[in-house]
Amino acid sequence: DAGITQSPRHKVTETGTPVTLRCHQTENHRYMYWYRQDPGHGLRLIHYSYGVKDTDKGEVSDGYSVSRSKTEDFLLTLESATSSQTSVYFCAITTDSYEQYFGPGTRLTVT
Amino acid sequence: QKEVEQNSGPLSVPEGAIASLNCTYSDRGSQSFFWYRQYSGKSPELIMFIYSNGDKEDGRFTAQLNKASQYVSLLIRDSQPSDSATYLCAVNGNFGNEKLTFGTGTRLTIIP
Repeated sequence: DAGITQSPRHKVTETGTPVTLRCHQTENHRYMYWYRQDPGHGLRLIHYSYGVKDTDKGEVSDGYSVSRSKTEDFLLTLESATSSQTSVYFCAITTDSYEQYFGPGTRLTVT
Repeated sequence: QKEVEQNSGPLSVPEGAIASLNCTYSDRGSQSFFWYRQYSGKSPELIMFIYSNGDKEDGRFTAQLNKASQYVSLLIRDSQPSDSATYLCAVNGNFGNEKLTFGTGTRLTIIP
């Protein structure tokens, strides 16, 4: 599992509330990613990080922010959750040999 | 906009037969190609990657890459019911750019 954990694994929240998802890795990989997966759209990159405090936007970054203050942790924040952000969120890392591995996922429901 | 296209399926294959999954990509500069397997309700699992034209074999799996045709495929020999899953193709623009672009996946069902 490449030492990746995500928390929480499931969350139900109300529209307009802030939500933070956490990704934790144990192997000090430089690159970390947040994806969302929705039926018909596949996996879409939200944000990624290439080092502590170094982050960049993916293709669906609107409404999301990220932070990486430590190598092992990458946080995804929904400042004001909307129903369109109901999804399954996956964290991933890339190894030095360019292989990308995924965490177990977080199922988020915004009511 | 980089695109990765897969037939969404479902693709039904008898047990013991060869399953063939296909993927095309739009960015001619793409350098590395990955196949993931995803069981329902689970996260994607890396099963194969290929960088060079030709075939790469790993157990019952063979990845085939044709950069001239911008085409990558995955063959699963001696298909088993446990191979029933969605298979995702992913493409990396170039080494050093670790952002993957994913296809929407092909759902494979192995019929006992």
